[in-house]
Formats: sequence, structure tokens, C-alpha cells
Amino acid sequence: DAKTTQPNSMESNEEEPVHLPCNHSTISGTDYIHWYRQLPSQGPEYVIHGLTSNVNNRMASLAIAEDRKSSTLILHRATLRDAAVYYCILWGNAGNMLTFGGGTRLMVKP
Amino acid sequence: DGGITQSPKYLFRKEGQNVTLSCEQNLNHDAMYWYRQDPGQGLRLIYYSQIVNDFQKGDIAEGYSVSREKKESFPLTVTSAQKNPTAFYLCASSMRQTGELFFGEGSRLTVL
Repeated sequence: DAKTTQPNSMESNEEEPVHLPCNHSTISGTDYIHWYRQLPSQGPEYVIHGLTSNVNNRMASLAIAEDRKSSTLILHRATLRDAAVYYCILWGNAGNMLTFGGGTRLMVKP
Repeated sequence: DGGITQSPKYLFRKEGQNVTLSCEQNLNHDAMYWYRQDPGQGLRLIYYSQIVNDFQKGDIAEGYSVSREKKESFPLTVTSAQKNPTAFYLCASSMRQTGELFFGEGSRLTVL
């Protein structure tokens, strides 16, 4: 299975942009890049996903490198409610299975 | 409202007892998944099912069993063979085409 690598933790100040990186050097051509976030004692919540092009939605933006071996989740203005663990995972048609790594714990300072 | 429901939310059992966790979805999703999460750790896949009457082992299937008799339901049994069953269990479902996962609120199992 394709795996992802993320920093264990990151800090941000409130109302500043946050860039959360993810490396996925073994990604295959049909793998989608998905991002989820998890608050304590809750199930993960879908944030965004993409294949090749950059994507925007109301929660975040996803920037995908041209070679697709890395991506960055961008929160444009961090709020205290964005403090969570963010997971970058790959989804491929062949296995239809998503494997989660350890994720990045984002701390937001007021 | 459409969604995915797990029950019970909290469960206490004695060592050696089998436990079944319920997961029901009304999203008409084909695929369903069970994950285990230990404190401070990420999610590990136990079992998944892409279609009714079919399921596959994930990374940590030993000591667990599942069934998929209906599209809406994917119960997980934690058997006495699971050596360290105390954990937070998460069920999820997705459309096969998009892969976007919808999670339940989780079941926290404590074995005394």
C-alpha cells in the first residue's frame, strides 16, 4: 500500500495561514490524495481531496506538486476550532482502502 | 438525516468475553470499514467490505470478526482471542467511486 509521511506536530497563530505538508513518494497514477481531520474523541472528518490539480473548498485548499509526490493542505486563516490531528491518506481504485498514518497534530495559539 | 451510527458509545466488558459493536449507515454506500485507534495514535484498519457478503482483512484483523449480510450494516465482534481489546473503534463508509469516508462517532471499549 502507498504510504504517506507527515510531521508529528505543527503550531500556528490564530488568524494566520497554515501549510500542512504531506509526502507520498510511492503514489500511483490512480491514487487520490485525501485529507481528514480529527478532534479528540470524535471520528475523523473529511476535509478535501484531489488527484492532480489544486482544489479549493469552503474548509481548505489542497496544493498538489507537479510530480504528485507531495501535497500541502492550506488553511487560509487558522481558528482555535482548527486545532486537530490532520491526516493525509491515499485512496486507490484497486484496493478501495484507505490507510491512515499518524497524522499531524495542529496546535493553534490565540 | 443520512449518516452512520455506531453503538454503543461506551462499553465495558470482562476479560474473555466476546463483544459485538454495531455500525449502521443509511447513505447507500457500498463500502464499509472498521478502524481501531489507541491513545495518541493514528487509525489502523481492522476489516473492510466493498460489497454485501464480502469482506477483507485489514492490517490488524487477528482477534476480530465481521459480517456483511446487509448493505446498511457491518457489525464487528471483538473476540476473546484479541489480546489487547481496549481501544476506540471507528466505523466508516464510502462510495466506491469517490473514496470519501464518512465516520461514525466511535465506540470506546474498555476491558476490565
